[in-house]
Parts: sequence; C-alpha cells; structure tokens
Amino acid sequence: ETGVTQTPRHLVMGMTNKKSLKCEQHLGHNAMYWYKQSAKKPLELMFVYNFKEQTENNSVPSRFSPECPNSSHLFLHLHTLQPEDSALYLCASSQDTQGRYGYTFGSGTRLTVV
Amino acid sequence: AQKVTQAQTEISVVEKEDVTLDCVYETRDTTYYLFWYKQPPSGELVFLIRRNSFDEQNEISGRYSWNFQKSTSSFNFTITASQVVDSAVYFCALSPITQGGSEKLVFGKGTKLTVNP
Repeated sequence: ETGVTQTPRHLVMGMTNKKSLKCEQHLGHNAMYWYKQSAKKPLELMFVYNFKEQTENNSVPSRFSPECPNSSHLFLHLHTLQPEDSALYLCASSQDTQGRYGYTFGSGTRLTVV
Repeated sequence: AQKVTQAQTEISVVEKEDVTLDCVYETRDTTYYLFWYKQPPSGELVFLIRRNSFDEQNEISGRYSWNFQKSTSSFNFTITASQVVDSAVYFCALSPITQGGSEKLVFGKGTKLTVNP
C-alpha cells in the first residue's frame, strides 16, 4: 500500500473511446499531480492541483481533462487519444506544492491506445 | 530552466558489487531540493532521499549513500554490496525552493539497474 492508489492498473482503449483514470490519497496531502512516463523520456508533469484548484497545466492537449472534486481524489478523463499517448500515467501527492516533505507516487496506470 | 541529466541509461552488475548512479543537474535557482526515487517493476516511484542545497553533508542509510557536490552540480547515489532486490529504475529529480507558488519536480531520464545473482 503506497498511500496513493491508482485505478485501473492497466487500460487498453481505442482512439474513439472515453475513459477515466482515478487517483486517491488519504495522506492528508493538499497537492496532487498527474505525470506521464513514456519510454526513454523523463517523467513529464501534466497537471498540478493545490487545494482542489488547478495551478498548472503544462501545455497538455485538451484530449486530457483533469478533475479534482476534493483534495483526496484526482481524475484524468481521456477522449479521442492517439497511439503516442500510450504511456504510464502516474499520480502523486504532496503536503504542499513546494516539495518540502517530498512527494508520494502511486503505482500508475499503464495505458495502451490502439 | 532546470535540467537533470542521468548519463547512464542502463547498468548491469553482479550481486555484492558496489555501484554508483550519476546525477548532474542544472539550475539558476540558489535554493533547491534534490531527490532520488526508485521505480521497481511494479511501477510506483519510491522516495529514497531529499537533500536541500544548503546542506552538502553526505548521507548514508544502510547500503545506500549519497554524495552531493554543489561545486560540480552532482548528486550521485551509491549502493554498496548490491542485491537482486535493488534491480529497478532510479530517478534523480530537482525542485526549486521558493516562497509560495507551484513548483515543478523535474526528473532525469532514469538509470535502469540490473543486479544479477
């Protein structure tokens, strides 16, 4: 149990499908993040939420739509994805957005777009 | 802009060997945090250590040790007497320390370590 739970662990979707990734933490953290991990690339920050408010969108295409209904839950809604969007999507949380107390990561959702 | 370079893409060692993973960073910030994370095959990133730029003392935790050299902008990680369970991808990361705002954790590309029995 990592403290940050992501579901599903694996997802295969067609380019016309709509699906959602879920992230949940009960660590009392106020900030949550989505990262994308592609093969042979550094982890890329996608979105940052602080106290449920989005504070950063790192030039992510609109086919990725985040939602943060409360400080414990974060979603990533996916629609009309491309094969190059296949990657491991990692959720993380931290007590604040300054990283003073580190970041806790989930196990990720392995997404394959066919 | 921040950048983290892990020049070693893959390293393979035999159990009980010592191994050092290199990390070089670039930043214009005067204060920052440096991190090492381990990513086993299960996928989650496991936090190993955080250092702040004020403190250049090296740190040892069991078989793990870290060598922070501000003069060369390096934060290298050494595993002594490696074990098969150390096999994973290891990431070095950098985050600036500022007052308020949302800070990015910038990662290197990672080094895949394989420890063979």
